[in-house]
Amino acid sequence: GAGVSQSPSNKVTEKGKDVELRCDPISGHTALYWYRQRLGQGLEFLIYFQGNSAPDKSGLPSDRFSAERTGESVSTLTIQRTQQEDSAVYLCASSLDGGNTEAFFGQGTRLTVV
Amino acid sequence: AQSVTQLDSQVPVFEEAPVELRCNYSSSVSVYLFWYVQYPNQGLQLLLKYLSGSTLVKGINGFEAEFNKSQTSFHLRKPSVHISDTAEYFCAVRVSAGNKLTFGGGTRVLVKP
Repeated sequence: GAGVSQSPSNKVTEKGKDVELRCDPISGHTALYWYRQRLGQGLEFLIYFQGNSAPDKSGLPSDRFSAERTGESVSTLTIQRTQQEDSAVYLCASSLDGGNTEAFFGQGTRLTVV
Repeated sequence: AQSVTQLDSQVPVFEEAPVELRCNYSSSVSVYLFWYVQYPNQGLQLLLKYLSGSTLVKGINGFEAEFNKSQTSFHLRKPSVHISDTAEYFCAVRVSAGNKLTFGGGTRVLVKP
């Protein structure tokens, strides 16, 4: 596609439910990132996929968070048993590789846990 | 591990005045440096990047940044701002080995008429 696509754009869920957020990176991009942006705050790194290497999961805040990526295509971020503090915008980005190339961002998924 | 500090969380500035947004990083190895902008209700887009070579980097919309290795800084500047520059600006760093992109906390710029 022309850019990084994320779905849904908005998600309201009840506390305790599981949610899945989807990211379609730019075709051919081997690197994919997930970030969380709480209201009025900066970007918090969650997870990084680079080609066939083991993902860097060092930013996942708890074991309720997990992410998968199939090859060099779609990625899914799953949050289990959602809590109110999970409310944020979840941003996905992709880049041609993990080196000096620019990361392109999607519009994000705004998650609200009620 | 690398980290990024943006010293100013908010910068109010009058239209046509200059602005400087400060960014300092910490890393024990060589880095690539980026500035991203997030306009209201929009996604992040790249303003400029430093990879190597000249330490003064020019980006879009009249912005420029200077890499200072001894100061571990990458401050962003614009000589004359417009109302349309009202946005949040993020500094980011990636180590040259090709690792995750780490962001600073952001600086919110409010341009006043």
